[in-house]
Amino acid sequence: AQSVTQPDIHITVSEGASLELRCNYSYGATPYLFWYVQSPGQGLQLLLKYFSGDTLVQGIKGFEAEFKRSQSSFNLRKPSVHWSDAAEYFCAVGGLTGRRALTFGSGTRLQVQP
Amino acid sequence: EAGVVQSPRYKIIEKKQPVAFWCNPISGHNTLYWYLQNLGQGPELLIRYENEEAVDDSQLPKDRFSAERLKGVDSTLKIQPAELGDSAVYLCASSGTGQRNTEAFFGQGTRLTVV
Repeated sequence: AQSVTQPDIHITVSEGASLELRCNYSYGATPYLFWYVQSPGQGLQLLLKYFSGDTLVQGIKGFEAEFKRSQSSFNLRKPSVHWSDAAEYFCAVGGLTGRRALTFGSGTRLQVQP
Repeated sequence: EAGVVQSPRYKIIEKKQPVAFWCNPISGHNTLYWYLQNLGQGPELLIRYENEEAVDDSQLPKDRFSAERLKGVDSTLKIQPAELGDSAVYLCASSGTGQRNTEAFFGQGTRLTVV
């Protein structure tokens, strides 16, 4: 069965500081990995995705994520956080085999201090 | 291009009453998903459609929940009767065909409050 763990429920960073949100997954085959962001009262917006190839993927809004197969991780990073980045971030895994639907982590709430 | 459209955005009902949610996916997307999102949690799949066929409904509580996707486009999710524990956000998503198209596009969701 596929699963996703986001160990940090809540993270607070200062505006302009760097950010790393952790994500660990469990999947029996080659995973497709995603990061979504959800602002209050909104649906989920895709930040970036990893299917294959280069393990460092670039996304929208200056975010990037690195796939590390040996660590079963797909951590999200941003070098300089903006106040507008405050939101809930979800990591998700899906794949070719089994269920095509994504399995989501429980999310990390990001708070940005001025 | 229009995204996934859901209605209503908000719904408040009394327990034991029925409720229905509607979803219009992105044009051309054959796969449609209904997810349940409880407060402070990530979305959890309720049902997945490939065209008009429900191919994964193992997490749908069939005693009170039902869904349909007639003609393989719009979909309706129904709860009858609603319970207090059904209060949550119901998200609809769609994705295209092909093995690499597991990327899902989400609607804004319907926030259900059962009182």
